[in-house]
Amino acid sequence: DIVMTQSPESLAVSLGERATINCKSSQSILYGSNNKNYLAWYQQKPGQPPKVVIHWASTRESGVPDRFSGSGSGTDFTLTITSLQAEDVAVYYCQQYYATPYTFGQGTKLDIQ
Amino acid sequence: QVQLQDSGPGLVKPSETLSLTCTVSGGSIFGYYWNWIRQPPGKGLEWIGYMHHTGNTDYNPSLRSRVAILLDTSNNQFSLTLTSVTAADTAVYYCARVTGESGYSYFDSWGQGTLVTVSS
Repeated sequence: DIVMTQSPESLAVSLGERATINCKSSQSILYGSNNKNYLAWYQQKPGQPPKVVIHWASTRESGVPDRFSGSGSGTDFTLTITSLQAEDVAVYYCQQYYATPYTFGQGTKLDIQ
Repeated sequence: QVQLQDSGPGLVKPSETLSLTCTVSGGSIFGYYWNWIRQPPGKGLEWIGYMHHTGNTDYNPSLRSRVAILLDTSNNQFSLTLTSVTAADTAVYYCARVTGESGYSYFDSWGQGTLVTVSS
């Protein structure tokens, strides 16, 4: 299985400031033939299912505010939220879909400081 | 916009079988990979498996001996059965769709989730 490791486990950021969450995969999830990283980021608020915010490592899902961005390649990835808003408080998960079993990171809880 | 609605019993006795159904509306069940994912209370997400209308199926090796996912194309539904449950199977169970046709893509639609508690 591909193990996904997120850091930090929790994070508190002031409103309007930047939040950065990291995700590392135990093997490369970059597919050479199409040069795509098979990684998604999900946002989960209490009592709700996860919602995709970033896919293919850096493509923002339709309707997601442009303060959300994804970067990285191979085994190291980052989700950045610039100018944090109150509605961004959630748990964020990375997930690889390069190979089954699909696997998720353990989650990063983002709060307001 | 496709919508998924999962349903089923919220309480299952130990050693019995968990059965859930996901109803797909606003889109076809054909051409996509339909998944089950679970989340124990206060914990992270675990992929259980998927099925495609062609019969292509894949399960998490950690659950493969106990799990089955079936498609009912006539009713636009798919189901999950998990046998011989224990307290460790207590979780919110989500149905979800993988976007695209290959199966190697992200989950773009999710059901609201059903909390299943395993207890006598």
